[in-house]
Amino acid sequence: DTGVSQDPRHKITKRGQNVTFRCDPISEHNRLYWYRQTLGQGPEFLTYFQNEAQLEKSRLLSDRFSAERPKGSFSTLEIQRTEQGDSAMYLCASSSTENYGYTFGSGTRLTVV
Amino acid sequence: EDQVTQSPEALRLQEGESSSLNCSYTVSGLRGLFWYRQDPGKGPEFLFTLYSAGEEKEKERLKATLTKKESFLHITAPKPEDSATYLCAVTSYSGGYQKVTFGTGTKLQVIP
Repeated sequence: DTGVSQDPRHKITKRGQNVTFRCDPISEHNRLYWYRQTLGQGPEFLTYFQNEAQLEKSRLLSDRFSAERPKGSFSTLEIQRTEQGDSAMYLCASSSTENYGYTFGSGTRLTVV
Repeated sequence: EDQVTQSPEALRLQEGESSSLNCSYTVSGLRGLFWYRQDPGKGPEFLFTLYSAGEEKEKERLKATLTKKESFLHITAPKPEDSATYLCAVTSYSGGYQKVTFGTGTKLQVIP
């Protein structure tokens, strides 16, 4: 297992289009997290899965954002009707225990034009 | 609301010039404090977890310490390859679930 994989690495989309990102966590990790990071800022929590259950969702996450983790393996993050303010790096992380450091993927950089 | 403040925002060191990065936090019920390293265009890389005041962790030229209000990341005799942004994060419980709050990071540049 080579770590957390994210696809695509880069995505340029026109405003109003829908985009979907994929994250493949470390196989033995049952916890999966999505974060968003803009330039010069730390990662900002979006949502958290334990196995296939979405246990927490940030209040900052509008209803245009949805995430799934079918069968508790890979996860997808979809953004509908993208806006320029959605431009950011979207990071996925996984962990096996509650209070240990996460393993992050390299992220998907979204640019909305 | 949990808060994490890192200082300085940016730090420029000569190779071999030791220094410290600061992470001040306000959190109700600290479960753990994390340090990460982030290179440009990549996701953060986990360095350390500290759980209680007085705890210290070391890895190569890095040493992390924790008090009840802040954590320090000490860099001894840094090399150019230590150049990166160093992120601090705290975990607490909110609404029954673990919550993680990141600081904005300290961008470290080590000059040969």
